[in-house]
Amino acid sequence: AQKVTQAQTEISVVEKEDVTLDCVYETRDTTYYLFWYKQPPSGELVFLIRRNSFDEQNEISGRYSWNFQKSTSSFNFTITASQVVDSAVYFCALSLYSGTYKYIFGTGTRLKVLA
Amino acid sequence: DVKVTQSSRYLVKRTGEKVFLECVQDMDHENMFWYRQDPGLGLRLIYFSYDVKMKEKGDIPEGYSVSREKKERFSLILESASTNQTSMYLCASSSIRTIYGYTFGSGTRLTVV
Repeated sequence: AQKVTQAQTEISVVEKEDVTLDCVYETRDTTYYLFWYKQPPSGELVFLIRRNSFDEQNEISGRYSWNFQKSTSSFNFTITASQVVDSAVYFCALSLYSGTYKYIFGTGTRLKVLA
Repeated sequence: DVKVTQSSRYLVKRTGEKVFLECVQDMDHENMFWYRQDPGLGLRLIYFSYDVKMKEKGDIPEGYSVSREKKERFSLILESASTNQTSMYLCASSSIRTIYGYTFGSGTRLTVV
């Protein structure tokens, strides 16, 4: 089975707190990509990061960091010192090849950052 | 600035109407996708196309059809709209040049009354 699970439906934090969004995936494929997207209230999904299955190196981009662990099939996303502008729905996605690459999305985590 | 443009941001249609949702991309991407987004269900793939005039069913194709006559345009058709098709519809495109990362449109919120 191929699946992406984002167990946290909604998280509320106070500004400047750190917050981690969890993503667990399932696949038997050895080649795949993992993504995180942000969906602000405007509706358009914005690309945040892509990771391929052969690259377990963690990544930091400003206040954002990602932890990819194949051993636990997880690709977690941490926002450090959260800001109100981080309020959005965040989607984790697994991309697998089937004719072309298609995404399997998680159900999303709504993050509310309170001032 | 590269873009995926969806023709309508909000749409209200009556039950039984034939509805066309249009999506145009200007990035020369070979792949295009239609998703619907519902609370608690995330994004679910309706149809996708990896070439002109080619189409493949996604996970929930029932009640929908698609058309891709030109590379840049991918249309989603609701043959006879029903209230359970009230949803947010998102179009996306991708290319091997972008290692298949998607570019999304802003979405069309369709209400069927």
